[in-house]
Amino acid sequence: DIQMTQSPSSLSASIGDRVTITCRASQGISNYLAWYQLKPGKVPKLLIYAASTLHSGVPSRFGGSGSGTDFTLTISSLQPEDFATYSCQNYNSAPITFGQGTRLEIK
Amino acid sequence: QVQLVESGGGVVQPGRSLRLSCVASGFTFSSYGMHWVRQTPGKGLEWVTFISYDGSNEEYVDSVKGRFTISRDNSMNTVYLQMNSLRAEDTAVYYCAKSRGYTYGPEESFDYWGQGTLVSVSS
Repeated sequence: DIQMTQSPSSLSASIGDRVTITCRASQGISNYLAWYQLKPGKVPKLLIYAASTLHSGVPSRFGGSGSGTDFTLTISSLQPEDFATYSCQNYNSAPITFGQGTRLEIK
Repeated sequence: QVQLVESGGGVVQPGRSLRLSCVASGFTFSSYGMHWVRQTPGKGLEWVTFISYDGSNEEYVDSVKGRFTISRDNSMNTVYLQMNSLRAEDTAVYYCAKSRGYTYGPEESFDYWGQGTLVSVSS
């Protein structure tokens, strides 16, 4: 199975900050990488698929990059609604696997 | 708009069974694969199983093979998860999720999720 490792596991930042979260796959997955936003009691939201394609309705301050084994999620200017947990997903092959999550907190 | 509504969760003793349902609306259900994903505080998100648009292809994570069965009824816009021989480690919030594209296999991101249903396995 492909292991997905995110860093950092938690992060404190302020409104307006630029934030980067990284995700590393244990073997190459081309661009079969998605990012999700998770909030307690809310429906998980797809942010980015194919490593860099923004899902419909997602604000342009979110961006993704990478290919192969190393990927990043960038939020260019943090907004209050962005404080949440972010999880990467490998969907190159079954079993589909997720990173352990990065909790983004207000500084 | 797309909606996925799960039901069937609850508290169950180890070794017993439970069936989850997920009713879909707002899209052509019979054209898309569907997944079940679970979330625990300690382990984050874990993909559990997938079923193709027509029900002919199923995939499972190793930890549930032989115990869980996914199925779907396209006439009812519903996907099911039959969970047998439940264990304490199956305790989680279970989400159904829709494949984003028209793939026959599970190799796709999930563009819509339900709100989840809690399954608690405890004696």
